[in-house]
Amino acid sequence: DIQMTQSPSSLSASMGDRVTITCQASQDIKNDLTWYQQKPGKAPKLLLYDASSLEPGVPSRFSGSGSGTHFTFTISSLQPEDIATYYCQQYNTVPLTFGGGTKVQIK
Amino acid sequence: QVQLVQSGAELKKPGASVKVSCKTSGYTFNIYGISWVRQAPGQGLDWMGWISPYNGNTNYAHKLQGRITMTTDTSTSTAYMELRSLRSDDTAVYYCARLRLPGSGYYSSYNYWGQGTLVTVSS
Repeated sequence: DIQMTQSPSSLSASMGDRVTITCQASQDIKNDLTWYQQKPGKAPKLLLYDASSLEPGVPSRFSGSGSGTHFTFTISSLQPEDIATYYCQQYNTVPLTFGGGTKVQIK
Repeated sequence: QVQLVQSGAELKKPGASVKVSCKTSGYTFNIYGISWVRQAPGQGLDWMGWISPYNGNTNYAHKLQGRITMTTDTSTSTAYMELRSLRSDDTAVYYCARLRLPGSGYYSSYNYWGQGTLVTVSS
């Protein structure tokens, strides 16, 4: 199975800060990577697919980059509604696998 | 609009089975795969498998092989996930999710999710 190592597992930031999360795949997954946002008690929400493509309706402050084994997710200016847990997921190889999640909190 | 509506919470004893439904609407059911993902309390997301409503093809996570069955009813646009021989570590919220791309097999992200079904396994 492909292991997805996400870091950090949690972070605290101030409103307006730039937030960066990384996701490392244990083998080459090309750009078959997606990012989800999950708020407590809710289902995950798709933010980005194919590593860097923004899902329609998702604010442009969210962005992603990378290919192969190293990926980055960025919130350019943290907003109150961005407080959530973020997950990466690879869909290159079954079983599809998720990163462990990054909980974003307010400092 | 696309909707996936799941059945309600379940309380099961160890060794029992559970069958969760996922009724879809707002799109052509046959052409988008459905996956099931679960989340244990306070834990991350865990992919359980995929089914094609078009032909019934499935792909299950290895660790669930032999205990899981995914099916669909195209007449009601509903997907089902049955898990047997339940254990306490099967306690989780179970989500159905629709693939973003039609006809892509299981190599796609998920852009629509059900609201989740809590399955509790306890004696």
